[in-house]
Amino acid sequence: DVKVTQSSRYLVKRTGEKVFLECVQDMDHENMFWYRQDPGLGLRLIYFSYDVKMKEKGDIPEGYSVSREKKERFSLILESASTNQTSMYLCASSPLASYNEQFFGPGTRLTVL
Amino acid sequence: SQQGEEDPQALSIQEGENATMNCSYKTSINNLQWYRQNSGRGLVHLILIRSNEREKHSGRLRVTLDTSKKSSSLLITASRAADTASYFCASDEYGNKLVFGAGTILRVKS
Repeated sequence: DVKVTQSSRYLVKRTGEKVFLECVQDMDHENMFWYRQDPGLGLRLIYFSYDVKMKEKGDIPEGYSVSREKKERFSLILESASTNQTSMYLCASSPLASYNEQFFGPGTRLTVL
Repeated sequence: SQQGEEDPQALSIQEGENATMNCSYKTSINNLQWYRQNSGRGLVHLILIRSNEREKHSGRLRVTLDTSKKSSSLLITASRAADTASYFCASDEYGNKLVFGAGTILRVKS
């Protein structure tokens, strides 16, 4: 069974804190993605990576950075969390040959107070 | 906005009825997909339809694609309470990225 795991299901942080969200996949996929999901807005792409140490900005990269030191792990970093980053964060992966049929993790609901 | 559009935003039906959700997108695509999301969980891939296909079936799911209208529909036949979820379309409008719609919330009452 393919699997994408995220480090936390729920997370509460304070404004200004540095936040790390971790994502691990066990399918040897080259592509990995970070999305945020807000009511009425669907999923919006923050960053994606198609190889180790490679990253590309998505539609809403401001306030975020990413790290991919190993193929199976893709981290999302909020350098200084703000209340408008309260959201559901979803990680996904897909094989290199196709950006389609993305496999999603269970999500991390982040609340920034 | 790069977001696709779906309608209706919410749909409530009785068990056994059919549910139809629609999706529109903005530019040419190679394929379009539908995903399901149970409350508070990640998305699960349901079905993919390529731009040269007009209709595709998978179990109780039927997807149509009209590239001339830049639209797609998802039909769930003989719905069950377990079909209660949010449904999203996703198109590869920008090559290496998927563009997701805002989703349709389906509630199936037993």
